[in-house]
Amino acid sequence: DGGITQSPKYLFRKEGQNVTLSCEQNLNHDAMYWYRQDPGQGLRLIYYSQIVNDFQKGDIAEGYSVSREKKESFPLTVTSAQKNPTAFYLCASSIGPLEGNEQFFGPGTRLTVL
Amino acid sequence: AQSVAQPEDQVNVAEGNPLTVKCTYSVSGNPYLFWYVQYPNRGLQFLLKYITGDNLVKGSYGFEAEFNKSQTSFHLKKPSALVSDSALYFCAVRDLGNTNAGKSTFGDGTTLTVKP
Repeated sequence: DGGITQSPKYLFRKEGQNVTLSCEQNLNHDAMYWYRQDPGQGLRLIYYSQIVNDFQKGDIAEGYSVSREKKESFPLTVTSAQKNPTAFYLCASSIGPLEGNEQFFGPGTRLTVL
Repeated sequence: AQSVAQPEDQVNVAEGNPLTVKCTYSVSGNPYLFWYVQYPNRGLQFLLKYITGDNLVKGSYGFEAEFNKSQTSFHLKKPSALVSDSALYFCAVRDLGNTNAGKSTFGDGTTLTVKP
């Protein structure tokens, strides 16, 4: 998990509330990613960013938003439009998106909607 | 489109025996292939990758994987399993022929249990 921090580790939200998950990396990586992990399923890509001030929708972007104002930060907002937000959220980064570079993952945030 | 399949949800082996975790992929261009491991309530850790060159790739903790282009497979192997290898393993593929080349696709994961 070194180099990427996610906070908080556990997060509880009431229905109808927006919530923002933090992701910070000190690896000087250009690319950053957000994934959602549900039990028995693999990682599903929510959003990714290849460079500062640019990001693209992944496979399940509906109900989520992101920003990439700084190279080291890629926060994810889970909005009230996301109908089933309870999940484990993982942030990752890589040196660049177009080479065969592996991703480095943060420790994750477990979001529970009450 | 790119995809990856891990046909086994669970693999059980005895400590000291060899282990194999299977992965097959589908891409339109040339693949970059990765294996990651996840321990409970943690993020994923990189194990090894295939980019080009030798089909047998060696990685962390004694793991290796063999790229087989004709069978479109990238199975993870270890000659002698340890109890501490018990974890969830993910295979991932990135298709360099894909216009969305920044995206990796992950399999659903295989739970490896090594029994003493």
